[in-house]
Amino acid sequence: DAGVTQSPTHLIKTRGQQVTLRCSPKSGHDTVSWYQQALGQGPQFIFQYYEEEERQRGNFPDRFSGHQFPNYSSELNVNALLLGDSALYLCASSFHEGEDYGYTFGSGTRLTVV
Amino acid sequence: GESVGLHLPTLSVQEGDNSIINCAYSNSASDYFIWYKQESGKGPQFIIDIRSNMDKRQGQRVTVLLNKTVKHLSLQIAATQPGDSAVYFCAAVRTSYDKVIFGPGTSLSVIP
Repeated sequence: DAGVTQSPTHLIKTRGQQVTLRCSPKSGHDTVSWYQQALGQGPQFIFQYYEEEERQRGNFPDRFSGHQFPNYSSELNVNALLLGDSALYLCASSFHEGEDYGYTFGSGTRLTVV
Repeated sequence: GESVGLHLPTLSVQEGDNSIINCAYSNSASDYFIWYKQESGKGPQFIIDIRSNMDKRQGQRVTVLLNKTVKHLSLQIAATQPGDSAVYFCAAVRTSYDKVIFGPGTSLSVIP
């Protein structure tokens, strides 16, 4: 059973460019959340997608946008990249049905902005 | 706002000793808690979870204790091994909102 898969694993971009990161959720999961994790910090919540709509959003600027597709996979887009956007970007998928709840992380995409 | 914090950012233990990592959360509506282990350059790996209707749960060499009265949980690792060296995060979840709040992490170093 494949868990959460993210692509690419590593990426180097130039300041001002745009980037798209991809996430395929774990089988059976219908919700995708994105996190930014700076070095030495805990994951910071960016936003969450459910039924192809943004359901929750953390304290991130509009340069960060996303999308969820009918197959539950998701993309994270970041425009006008800043040096401070360099981080590990984590995708987590989840499901919630009655008392049953699951939350699984992918291995992340390491983004370096130069 | 909601927060999750850990009492110690770093912890060093001798190989074979038991480790205890603590975590405090602020929102009493949190009803599910997860401990993750994160090794350098990798995503968080699930260790163990506990629901708010329990106060203790055991896994293989790990035990999670939950004290809802003081909004505190802990992760105990028995017979700590060098492979346990990593950063450990606790996460508090409000499952009705599917909202997960992470703590800042405790870096565990195991001394051979």
